[in-house]
Amino acid sequence: LAKTTQPISMDSYEGQEVNITCSHNNIATNDYITWYQQFPSQGPRFIIQGYKTKVTNEVASLFIPADRKSSTLSLPRVSLSDTAVYYCLVGGPNYGGSQGNLIFGKGTKLSVKP
Amino acid sequence: GAGVSQTPSNKVTEKGKYVELRCDPISGHTALYWYRQSLGQGPEFLIYFQGTGAADDSGLPNDRFFAVRPEGSVSTLKIQRTERGDSAVYLCASSLNSLAGGSGELFFGEGSRLTVL
Repeated sequence: LAKTTQPISMDSYEGQEVNITCSHNNIATNDYITWYQQFPSQGPRFIIQGYKTKVTNEVASLFIPADRKSSTLSLPRVSLSDTAVYYCLVGGPNYGGSQGNLIFGKGTKLSVKP
Repeated sequence: GAGVSQTPSNKVTEKGKYVELRCDPISGHTALYWYRQSLGQGPEFLIYFQGTGAADDSGLPNDRFFAVRPEGSVSTLKIQRTERGDSAVYLCASSLNSLAGGSGELFFGEGSRLTVL
């Protein structure tokens, strides 16, 4: 299973764009890249998922270069409520089978200041 | 309910006691996952069910931990002879099907906080 590496923490200010990069050098051909957000005392919450190039939804954008060895989660114009831990995961389309153990790393703790 | 429900939300027990934690997944979700999270750490995979069967239990730390999902819906995580090191938040997640990794997402509950004194 592909291992991921993210910065332990990041600081930002309200209104700024935040980019969190995740390295996954041994990502497999069938692996997708998924990001989750977790607030204290809550379970992780899905943010965005992609396979290659760029994906955008109402919350964030995900940039994946051609070699797919890294990915960048982009949060536009963050607010105080975006303060949370962000996790990058990689897994295959059939991870529900023998690859059921989706691995969470320690994540990136984002602190947004006024 | 609309989301994944976990009970109890908090459980305090004494070392050596038996504990059961329950997870009620989103209706229709065939895949169910258990994770354990310690303070300052990411969720640690324990076990995954596809339907009634445990498709991957490689994350269970030892034979004191066991999980069941007899009817393919509600799951119970069972911990025997609890130890202080078992103290953590136990998270349950469900997904629509085993292809969630490619096109879907995991829906997590709020977790059950276990404290072993």
